[in-house]
Amino acid sequence: GQQVMQIPQYQHVQEGEDFTTYCNSSTTLSNIQWYKQRPGGHPVFLIQLVKSGEVKKQKRLTFQFGEAKKNSSLHITATQTTDVGTYFCAGQRGATNKLIFGTGTLLAVQP
Amino acid sequence: GAGVSQSPRYKVTKRGQDVTLRCDPISSHATLYWYQQALGQGPEFLTYFNYEAQPDKSGLPSDRFSAERPEGSISTLTIQRTEQRDSAMYRCASSPSLVQGGDTQYFGPGTRLTVL
Repeated sequence: GQQVMQIPQYQHVQEGEDFTTYCNSSTTLSNIQWYKQRPGGHPVFLIQLVKSGEVKKQKRLTFQFGEAKKNSSLHITATQTTDVGTYFCAGQRGATNKLIFGTGTLLAVQP
Repeated sequence: GAGVSQSPRYKVTKRGQDVTLRCDPISSHATLYWYQQALGQGPEFLTYFNYEAQPDKSGLPSDRFSAERPEGSISTLTIQRTEQRDSAMYRCASSPSLVQGGDTQYFGPGTRLTVL
């Protein structure tokens, strides 16, 4: 089973509202990646965070890696209908290529 | 190729039959991954290859599952004596380097397996 949990499982927002998904691991991660999967599509890489407390921005998206490297968040400012999809965090532990995906947050945006 | 390709895109089989799924990674990508994704859930790691070596197959659910990448490029995932619980989307991903601890993974479109 998956050991990386995300909340909420589902979020419905009005276009223009902000959105945040939280990712929590039971153990320390060496790095964390975020992926977006559109309905009927495949996961697409968004970003990777490696350092404790790291914050990265991509236009309206802000990603944060916790100080203890056990949690992460993705915040979207002023959502658009193109933001619809499921957002997955995925973490690696130690020196391994194995990627453990979170449970995902499905975002619905109402125009 | 331009992206990761997988075949077939859809496979329907009867319980007890063997199936083989194919993944063609982005050319020159060293690392190749196999995942199983149930509807509404995140991909679950099955195994990965660095070229033809298979360092980790800890995610394979049982000995009915096996994967190969004999020449370090195309890979196959074989499920023997399929069971209904094997029904899922099987995804392949590749990444360009051997660097451990983090690298962009490019996913293919997946093979939807249905076991009747």
